[in-house]
Amino acid sequence: LAKTTQPISMDSYEGQEVNITCSHNNIATNDYITWYQQFPSQGPRFIIQGYKTKVTNEVASLFIPADRKSSTLSLPRVSLSDTAVYYCLVGDNANQGGKLIFGQGTELSVKP
Amino acid sequence: GAVVSQHPSWVICKSGTSVKIECRSLDFQATTMFWYRQFPKQSLMLMATSNEGSKATYEQGVEKDKFLINHASLTLSTLTVTSAHPEDSSFYICSPKGQASTWATEAFFGQGTRLTVV
Repeated sequence: LAKTTQPISMDSYEGQEVNITCSHNNIATNDYITWYQQFPSQGPRFIIQGYKTKVTNEVASLFIPADRKSSTLSLPRVSLSDTAVYYCLVGDNANQGGKLIFGQGTELSVKP
Repeated sequence: GAVVSQHPSWVICKSGTSVKIECRSLDFQATTMFWYRQFPKQSLMLMATSNEGSKATYEQGVEKDKFLINHASLTLSTLTVTSAHPEDSSFYICSPKGQASTWATEAFFGQGTRLTVV
């Protein structure tokens, strides 16, 4: 399984763009990159998923360079409600049976 | 997205008693159920995987006789913490998966259950 490395914590202010980078040097050919958000005392929630290049949805953007050894989650104009832990996961259903292995995550704190 | 209902959201029990946590997938058939545990300020750790109608597979270090998992139907799985002790106090989260789910689809999670053993 590809191991991921993220910053343990990040601070930001309301209205700023936040970029959280995840390293996954041993990503496999079939692996997807998925990000989840978790608020205190809640289960994780899917944010975005990608395989290569750039993916954008109504919540965030995901940038993946050509070598796919890292990825960057971009949250535009964060608000206080974006304070949460963000997890980067890398994997492939065929090898993992769908189970997710969570790394330490990045605790984002958004201040007024 | 899929609707997952986990109950109760929190529970306090006395040491030595058992607690049952329910996880329901309300709008899809969960052929597989994952159970995670999360201690304060830590990440989610997979405890076990169960397939409907089969015995659960436990991760290394997780006692199968202590954490009983029942997955008798495609919409309901239960986790029973037997003879609970204070060190079992944690946040338990379920994640049902349908047969059609792949890594190219998102995973869904229950709201979590905060267990406190006193």
